[in-house]
Amino acid sequence: AQSVAQPEDQVNVAEGNPLTVKCTYSVSGNPYLFWYVQYPNRGLQFLLKYITGDNLVKGSYGFEAEFNKSQTSFHLKKPSALVSDSALYFCAVSFTGNQFYFGTGTSLTVIP
Amino acid sequence: NAGVTQTPKFQVLKTGQSMTLQCAQDMNHEYMSWYRQDPGMGLRLIHYSVGAGITDQGEVPNGYNVSRSTTEDFPLRLLSAAPSQTSVYFCASSKWGAAAFFGQGTRLTVV
Repeated sequence: AQSVAQPEDQVNVAEGNPLTVKCTYSVSGNPYLFWYVQYPNRGLQFLLKYITGDNLVKGSYGFEAEFNKSQTSFHLKKPSALVSDSALYFCAVSFTGNQFYFGTGTSLTVIP
Repeated sequence: NAGVTQTPKFQVLKTGQSMTLQCAQDMNHEYMSWYRQDPGMGLRLIHYSVGAGITDQGEVPNGYNVSRSTTEDFPLRLLSAAPSQTSVYFCASSKWGAAAFFGQGTRLTVV
């Protein structure tokens, strides 16, 4: 069975500090990996994806993610957090681009 | 660009009632899918479609039906609403290997 784990329900970080939101996955094969962000009462917005190539992927709004095949992880990072980054973040895996398996989400709060 | 449009945004149903959640996309994506979002559970796949006339079940299909008569539309039908179907429903569309685009969601309450 495919599974995606986001071990932290809540992450708090001070504005200006680096942030990390963790994601590990347990799937067979070589999935595509995604990060999405959800603001209150909104749909999910795509941040970045990894398919193949460089293990460090850059995405929207200054976010990046590091793929680690041996640890089956795909952690989301940002060098300097903004208050406006406060939102719910979801990690997802897909094999076909049609069926996405999501983690349970991590609520990020950036403290001014 | 409209992207993925869901209607209605909010709905209250009584137990046993039926209804259809509408989803339309204007990006000519072959893939469309429906998810439900519940607190602490992330998004779970209900049904998906890889093209007009082709649908399949996801993780939590019971109590829901779908059809895909056109590339653009992918309605989700609740046959006999139950309180357990109280949730936020998201429709998404995508192309193979690409990110999914999500609608704004339908917040459904079954009383």
